[in-house]
Amino acid sequence: NAGVTQTPKFQVLKTGQSMTLQCAQDMNHNSMYWYRQDPGMGLRLIYYSASEGTTDKGEVPNGYNVSRLNKREFSLRLESAAPSQTSVYFCASRVGTSNEKLFFGSGTQLSVL
Amino acid sequence: KQEVTQIPAALSVPEGENLVLNCSFTDSAIYNLQWFRQDPGKGLTSLLLIQSSQREQTSGRLNASLDKSSGRSTLYIAASQPGDSATYLCAVSSEWWDDKIIFGKGTRLHILP
Repeated sequence: NAGVTQTPKFQVLKTGQSMTLQCAQDMNHNSMYWYRQDPGMGLRLIYYSASEGTTDKGEVPNGYNVSRLNKREFSLRLESAAPSQTSVYFCASRVGTSNEKLFFGSGTQLSVL
Repeated sequence: KQEVTQIPAALSVPEGENLVLNCSFTDSAIYNLQWFRQDPGKGLTSLLLIQSSQREQTSGRLNASLDKSSGRSTLYIAASQPGDSATYLCAVSSEWWDDKIIFGKGTRLHILP
């Protein structure tokens, strides 16, 4: 069972470079999420998608864009990376109703120099 | 704005002890609360989900309780084992229609052999 798959696992960027983090789930979930996790700050919601074709901002959306490509895939793009975006990024998904468990990917560790 | 707090940030206990982890939230109008486990360098795994209408949920040696009116939840771990060492996070969903999930910063638990 693949669950939630994130690629890449590690990435180093230079300031100003762009990149896209990929996320795919094979559980037929409607809702998908992007979080970042920083020491002392906990998990913070960047963007989420309640269903295919919809996206909404979370707590910390600045500097990021997302695409819900289809029901399975939800990508996170950094257009011009900044050192403040150094973090561990997690993708998550759930069926769609609020009373369902959230499933996480294994994360992407991103460093911006 | 919903805020979720977990105290203490870190805890060390000898193997075999029963222990309680605490989670508090500022807005009692929650839809559900989840407890997660995170191992170093890994994603989060959902342990228990308590709906707002429930008082507790149990899974093996884990028992989670919810007191909405006081804005508190506890995770009870019975007969702790070294394999229980991890970071435990709680998270709340505030409305059935609101897809945002707000996390606490977690309690890092170390079980001493």
